[in-house]
Amino acid sequence: DAGITQSPRHKVTETGTPVTLRCHQTENHRYMYWYRQDPGHGLRLIHYSYGVKDTDKGEVSDGYSVSRSKTEDFLLTLESATSSQTSVYFCAISDYLLNQPQHFGDGTRLSIL
Amino acid sequence: DQQVKQNSPSLSVQEGRISILNCDYTNSMFDYFLWYKKYPAEGPTFLISISSIKDKNEDGRFTVFLNKSAKHLSLHIVPSQPGDSAVYFCAASDGGATNKLIFGTGTLLAVQP
Repeated sequence: DAGITQSPRHKVTETGTPVTLRCHQTENHRYMYWYRQDPGHGLRLIHYSYGVKDTDKGEVSDGYSVSRSKTEDFLLTLESATSSQTSVYFCAISDYLLNQPQHFGDGTRLSIL
Repeated sequence: DQQVKQNSPSLSVQEGRISILNCDYTNSMFDYFLWYKKYPAEGPTFLISISSIKDKNEDGRFTVFLNKSAKHLSLHIVPSQPGDSAVYFCAASDGGATNKLIFGTGTLLAVQP
């Protein structure tokens, strides 16, 4: 299994509070991604990173920010959580070569009340 | 606008028989396609992929077929086993430098003993 650790695995918080999810990899892969999974939508890309301090928006980036200060860590922040951000969040990594599969962590289940 | 579509939310097959999961796409720029398998409370696991220069790729019990003219791919599992029961996602990439993927909504496969 790819060395990807997501923390926390579960979190319950209240509307309006800030939340940060962490993804840590031990594979030294260049690319890292954050997805959310919701019923009827599959996995949708939130943000991705193509190197340290290099990030870009995905399909559903509103309300989310990311940071990557080290190769191994990619943080996803909800500045002011809303109930619509209740979801399961997955981090993925891939190597820099073209047409490489992404490998996923086990996810963070986030509930916003 | 769903660029990758899995029109069957669920599929049930008998153990030992063939499972066929289908996926359609709309973007003719997609040139790399993947299938992922997902168990509950785990992250998606890469299963098999195919490049657009091929029309078939086989790995053990799993075969992916690509029909570019119809913008259609399928995953065949032969023979199906109860442990194959999971959600299957197809995904596509346009071959860009960041290996970004667009996912379908998933098909829940149930293999009956």
